[in-house]
Amino acid sequence: DAKTTQPTSMDCAEGRAANLPCNHSTISGNEYVYWYRQIHSLWPQYIIHGLKNNETNEMASLIITEDRKSSTLILPHATLRDTAVYYCIVRAGTASKLTFGTGTRLQVTL
Amino acid sequence: DGGITQSPKYLFRKEGQNVTLSCEQNLNHDAMYWYRQDPGQGLRLIYYSQIVNDFQKGDIAEGYSVSREKKESFPLTVTSAQKNPTAFYLCASSIGLAGGTYEQYFGPGTRLTVT
Repeated sequence: DAKTTQPTSMDCAEGRAANLPCNHSTISGNEYVYWYRQIHSLWPQYIIHGLKNNETNEMASLIITEDRKSSTLILPHATLRDTAVYYCIVRAGTASKLTFGTGTRLQVTL
Repeated sequence: DGGITQSPKYLFRKEGQNVTLSCEQNLNHDAMYWYRQDPGQGLRLIYYSQIVNDFQKGDIAEGYSVSREKKESFPLTVTSAQKNPTAFYLCASSIGLAGGTYEQYFGPGTRLTVT
């Protein structure tokens, strides 16, 4: 699986959009980008995933650059409950595991 | 309720004892996984199973053992050979056999403390 690089931490004001970047410059053609988050002391929660096209669901949007070397997770209107560690994971479609890095610690503030 | 259950939430053991952590899912998922998380770190894969009666080692399998006798159950035994067993243990499951694009769903975890 390709490695990912994320900022260690970010802050976002409540109500604003949170844009979390992820660099995966060594991604290969069959690898998907997954995002999970882990709220303090709880278990990881799946957010979204994509291959080439931008994706949106009820939680977030995922923007993948045309060369697929980076992506951005967007939480459109961050709330205090979105404070968590966000993990960007690149995984081949036929792989069976997720390789978690240390993620980005997002702090949403009033 | 559908989901993944892990019990107990907190577990305390003396060094040198084996301990088994339970993981049960009623999602009818084929694949199940065990991860370990240390403070401030990401998750590391211990073992995974894609189908009943079959499982594979993950990145840090030494000192652990698993079984998969039933589709819904994937217990993890932390043996006395595991050098640093104190950690947060997370079980997950996903639909597909060969991974596909299926997301993994996690149980609430068991915090094991060995003294």
